[in-house]
Amino acid sequence: DVKVTQSSRYLVKRTGEKVFLECVQDMDHENMFWYRQDPGLGLRLIYFSYDVKMKEKGDIPEGYSVSREKKERFSLILESASTNQTSMYLCASSLHGRGPYEQYFGPGTRLTVT
Amino acid sequence: AQSVTQLGSHVSVSEGALVLLRCNYSSSVPPYLFWYVQYPNQGLQLLLKYTSAATLVKGINGFEAEFKKSETSFHLTKPSAHMSDAAEYFCAVSESNAAFGKGITLSVRP
Repeated sequence: DVKVTQSSRYLVKRTGEKVFLECVQDMDHENMFWYRQDPGLGLRLIYFSYDVKMKEKGDIPEGYSVSREKKERFSLILESASTNQTSMYLCASSLHGRGPYEQYFGPGTRLTVT
Repeated sequence: AQSVTQLGSHVSVSEGALVLLRCNYSSSVPPYLFWYVQYPNQGLQLLLKYTSAATLVKGINGFEAEFKKSETSFHLTKPSAHMSDAAEYFCAVSESNAAFGKGITLSVRP
């Protein structure tokens, strides 16, 4: 079974802190994704990566950056956390981007910024 | 550009009743379509996917969905709801990266 793990299930940070969310997948998938999930808004794509050291902006990249130094690991960075970044963050991976390749999701990190 | 529309945010059914969750898509190429389920405090998991092999797709937990090109729809159904089906359901279309709908919360009444 594909396993996608996220470093924390719950996280509380203060405004202005730098926050790192880590994601690891164990199935040698090419693509990895970061989403945020908010009530009534569904999943919104923040960033994705289709290869090591490659990254592409999603729909809502402002205030975020990412790092992918190894194929299995994809990190989301909040350079200076703000209260409007309080949300559920979901990481996912897939074999390829286009095509009948489903995404495998981690359990999510619920981030609260106070 | 690809997108999916899930009308409504909440559906409530009685245990044993038919479940119908609607999804309409927009895609400029033949689409790949997915339904995912999210149980409380968990990530999403795949229920089923359409890859053009068959228009009626069967998934896990007794769910199925029918691809109708003329209606640009991919509605999810289950003949008899169970309490354990209570969850949030997302439709997604994959033209490049997947685009997800806003999700529908399914409640099941005893």
